[in-house]
Amino acid sequence: AQKITQTQPGMFVQEKEAVTLDCTYDTSDPSYGLFWYKQPSSGEMIFLIYQGSYDQQNATEGRYSLNFQKARKSANLVISASQLGDSAMYFCAMREHNTNAGKSTFGDGTTLTVKP
Amino acid sequence: SAVISQKPSRDICQRGTSLTIQCQVDSQVTMMFWYRQQPGQSLTLIATANQGSEATYESGFVIDKFPISRPNLTFSTLTVSNMSPEDSSIYLCSVDPGGYGGYTFGSGTRLTVV
Repeated sequence: AQKITQTQPGMFVQEKEAVTLDCTYDTSDPSYGLFWYKQPSSGEMIFLIYQGSYDQQNATEGRYSLNFQKARKSANLVISASQLGDSAMYFCAMREHNTNAGKSTFGDGTTLTVKP
Repeated sequence: SAVISQKPSRDICQRGTSLTIQCQVDSQVTMMFWYRQQPGQSLTLIATANQGSEATYESGFVIDKFPISRPNLTFSTLTVSNMSPEDSSIYLCSVDPGGYGGYTFGSGTRLTVV
């Protein structure tokens, strides 16, 4: 079974609007971390935000916030006030701390296009 | 957080040849990871490289095709051997900075095999 599922291959958003990118995950490890990365067309991977499985509050980093719903096993990324430079591929990833030798598993990604 | 210098940034290679990709980290790290990203797809882990031991390869990847060196805690190389057009991908190295933060990635090597 796929551990990380991103069901939106592509998303469009108007500049200055907010957008939510979906991510669901599957694990039996009680201790894990969830991550979002941005990959512009240049190919580099940029770490955006982290949520730990034991964190009580949703993570926020500037315009990025993570809507963590543990019971539903979802970790959606919310980007507020979209900018043209936000156009990129976005990957959700998970690292299980007690299993899988600490390796990260990545979803298939969502391509976000911000329209002017 | 760690900073990784990855070289080359891109290359166009003839089939049957080999390319070695280098990653230099500005701090000592225990684990380094090598990923392949085929066009339009997600990241696939090739192997985990720990200093002083053989790299651990994921299913579908073998040492003869992707030999890895890890001579010290700040440096690693991945060689793509006997290349074919199917090896055309972005190759990325990454490190675990410790704690519970996200991985740090190199800038990637965009490889085209003709």
